Amino acid sequence: DTAVSQTPKYLVTQMGNDKSIKCEQNLGHDTMYWYKQDSKKFLKIMFSYNNKELIINETVPNRFSPKSPDKAHLNLHINSLELGDSAVYFCASSPKPGYGYTFGSGTRLTVV
Amino acid sequence: DQQVKQNSPSLSVQEGRISILNCDYTNSMFDYFLWYKKYPAEGPTFLISISSIKDKNEDGRFTVFLNKSAKHLSLHIVPSQPGDSAVYFCAASGGSSNTGKLIFGQGTTLQVKP
Repeated sequence: DTAVSQTPKYLVTQMGNDKSIKCEQNLGHDTMYWYKQDSKKFLKIMFSYNNKELIINETVPNRFSPKSPDKAHLNLHINSLELGDSAVYFCASSPKPGYGYTFGSGTRLTVV
Repeated sequence: DQQVKQNSPSLSVQEGRISILNCDYTNSMFDYFLWYKKYPAEGPTFLISISSIKDKNEDGRFTVFLNKSAKHLSLHIVPSQPGDSAVYFCAASGGSSNTGKLIFGQGTTLQVKP
């Protein structure tokens, strides 16, 4: 019974395609996040939602669009994929902003 | 502009000995620090944290030390076990407009040899 689940776990796609990564948490948390781990292994925040409201929107290309249909879900849609988008994307949730993160197992995106 | 840095990409220690992982930060507004552990193909899992009002926090074999004047924190694992082999990330948060964003270091890969 996974607390934070991401699908798919692996995603290989061609440049220019549009893809989505889904995230669901069953912890009853109010806050959800998307982080990107790049080739240099840094984990960098992209977006955060608190009670379905966007509270963090870092400097990412507007090809990336998060969507939170409810508190338990935060999906990431990426348009016109580029080679540089290849990375591992982690979803996380917490009871309140900044406290007690639980991470999903990650989605490895490879753009060819 | 990397505000949290882990300058040692890897560390190897013998089972039973102490592992010391280091982390430096530049933002004096950070007031909460965390360590996460990550196994391959899994997400990071929370290990231990410390508030800036403390200089030490201990949880079993894990102790985190915070030196605010030096903007440095360290994680001590005693005794180290082979199951501790993983990537360890240091993270920080805080500031006047704290939105819950964690700033991570780039990680240190710990190998504990039997």
